[in-house]
Amino acid sequence: AQSVTQLGSHVSVSEGALVLLRCNYSSSVPPYLFWYVQYPNQGLQLLLKYTTGATLVKGINGFEAEFKKSETSFHLTKPSAHMSDAAEYFCAVSDSGYSTLTFGKGTMLLVSP
Amino acid sequence: DTAVSQTPKYLVTQMGNDKSIKCEQNLGHDTMYWYKQDSKKFLKIMFSYNNKELIINETVPNRFSPKSPDKAHLNLHINSLELGDSAVYFCASSLFAGETQYFGPGTRLLVL
Repeated sequence: AQSVTQLGSHVSVSEGALVLLRCNYSSSVPPYLFWYVQYPNQGLQLLLKYTTGATLVKGINGFEAEFKKSETSFHLTKPSAHMSDAAEYFCAVSDSGYSTLTFGKGTMLLVSP
Repeated sequence: DTAVSQTPKYLVTQMGNDKSIKCEQNLGHDTMYWYKQDSKKFLKIMFSYNNKELIINETVPNRFSPKSPDKAHLNLHINSLELGDSAVYFCASSLFAGETQYFGPGTRLLVL
């Protein structure tokens, strides 16, 4: 069975500061990993994903994540936060094949001026 | 053009009623899903269909019945609504199972 742990239900940063949202996963097979963002009262939008190949993945809006197999982690980063980044972020894992996504509990990113 | 659409966006109803939520995708995807997001924002898969065939059916009360008339549509019918059914229901689709999922805007259900 797969599981995802997102450390911190809320993360607060100042505008211009580094954003780091943590995600650890467990999977019995090589995982597919995803980060989704949810803005208030909206659906989920894919930020980036890792399936195979390069372990550093670049996504939309300046976000990137690095797959570290030894640490079973897939942390999301952005060098400089913008006010518009304030949203809920979800990490998810899939073991490919006929499998659905297992989501973490989400991390709310708060950005202050 | 909206890739994954859901209707209605908001649904307020009384306990005991029966209601349906519709989902349509115009991406040509084979696989569609229903998720429930509770008040704490936790997302949990309910059902998954591949080419109109049910492939995932998580532990969901049998008051919930999905129906896929064709691979572009996956509707969710809920009988005898209960207070605990209040949540946001998201439809999603992917090219095939395990691939990137694209989500609809959600249907906010409130049972009074």
